[in-house]
Amino acid sequence: NAGVTQTPKFRVLKTGQSMTLLCAQDMNHEYMYWYRQDPGMGLRLIHYSVGEGTTAKGEVPDGYNVSRLKKQNFLLGLESAAPSQTSVYFCASRKGRGQEQFFGPGTRLTVL
Amino acid sequence: GESVGLHLPTLSVQEGDNSIINCAYSNSASDYFIWYKQESGKGPQFIIDIRSNMDKRQGQRVTVLLNKTVKHLSLQIAATQPGDSAVYFCAENHPSGYSTLTFGKGTMLLVSP
Repeated sequence: NAGVTQTPKFRVLKTGQSMTLLCAQDMNHEYMYWYRQDPGMGLRLIHYSVGEGTTAKGEVPDGYNVSRLKKQNFLLGLESAAPSQTSVYFCASRKGRGQEQFFGPGTRLTVL
Repeated sequence: GESVGLHLPTLSVQEGDNSIINCAYSNSASDYFIWYKQESGKGPQFIIDIRSNMDKRQGQRVTVLLNKTVKHLSLQIAATQPGDSAVYFCAENHPSGYSTLTFGKGTMLLVSP
């Protein structure tokens, strides 16, 4: 099993550009999450999904959109990137409530 | 990467020492807790978990202690090795709704040979 994979690993955007980050998991997990990690801030939840076709807002959802069209994929979109969105983005999945989350390797995004 | 560690509390130990990393959690209703390890440039990795009906759980070289009275969690690492150098996060599981995890800011552990 590959576990949780993320594409791309690195990206540099200019302010106002759009992009989509892809997360894929092959563990048949129901729940998927997108976090951002900034120095000294820990992991902050952007959006999450509890199943195919469902999404919900997390702690810091503004400026991001998500879609879960297939159970194994969770996409994070930035419609108009801002420098404040420079961060490392992590995707995670879990089988169900009260269980550990498995994390991907991260995507380092820089917005100039 | 190394930017994760900026402004984090840091614990420096010698190889072979026992390490204790502490975490204060926020929600007295949280029912599940996890410790993660994050090495430079990588995603967090699961170390050990504990449910709220327990006060201690042991793994290989690691022990987690839970004190619900003061909302405190600790991770003990026995015979710390240079490979244990990383940032360690605790996370709490909120039982309401679909129970997302809330993460602490982390502690950097530096192990000297």
